Amino acid sequence: AQSVTQLGSHVSVSEGALVLLRCNYSSSVPPYLFWYVQYPNQGLQLLLKYTTGATLVKGINGFEAEFKKSETSFHLTKPSAHMSDAAEYFCAVSDRSQAGTALIFGKGTTLSVSS
Amino acid sequence: KAGVTQTPRYLIKTRGQQVTLSCSPISGHRSVSWYQQTPGQGLQFLFEYFSETQRNKGNFPGRFSGRQFSNSRSEMNVSTLELGDSALYLCASSLWPNTEAFFGQGTRLTVV
Repeated sequence: AQSVTQLGSHVSVSEGALVLLRCNYSSSVPPYLFWYVQYPNQGLQLLLKYTTGATLVKGINGFEAEFKKSETSFHLTKPSAHMSDAAEYFCAVSDRSQAGTALIFGKGTTLSVSS
Repeated sequence: KAGVTQTPRYLIKTRGQQVTLSCSPISGHRSVSWYQQTPGQGLQFLFEYFSETQRNKGNFPGRFSGRQFSNSRSEMNVSTLELGDSALYLCASSLWPNTEAFFGQGTRLTVV
C-alpha cells in the first residue's frame, strides 16, 4: 500500500527565511503528487501538483516543489517566508494506476513564521 | 464560480444517533470524494463517487455510507455514532476521477 511520510510535524522559520517542508512517498510506480495547505477551520487548498513532465513544479503563493524519483521525494520550498504562510501543510499522493481520485495524505507539517 | 459547499458546518450529535452530511460540488464536477480528518489519524479517505456510482472505498466500517445524486450532489451517512466519529468531514469534487480535487470547508461533527 502506498504511504506518505512528512518529516517534521512542526517547522519554525523567521519571516524572510527559506521554507523547506519534506515529503517522501513509498510506491514502486511514481504516483500523482500534491501539496495542500489548510488554515484553521478551513478546508484544503491545493498549492501545486505533479502529474507528468517537468519535475520542478511551481504553485501558488510562491511555493514550488521538485519531484525526485531516485529519492522518492517531493519536497516543498519557498524562498522567503511570509507571516501569512503560517498554516498546516499536507503532502498527498494518488495512485495513477487506479481509476479514482483517492488521496493518501501525510500526517501534515505545521509551519510557524515569526517576525 | 461557486466552490464546494458542505452543510451543515457544525453538528453535535449523541452517541447511537445517525447523521447525514451534504456536499454540493463545483458546477460541472462529477466526481465527489469524502475524507475524515482527526488529530490522531489525520486525513483518511472514506469513499469516492462518480456518476452516481461508488468508485473507491477506504477502510471504514459499514456504518459509514454515501450516495451521489444525478445532479452530482453527494451525501454521507454515519449510523450508530460513536465518540470516535468526532471529526472534520471534508468533501472534495473534481471534474473527473484522477483530476485536481477541490475541497469544501468541511463539516465539524462532535459526538457526545
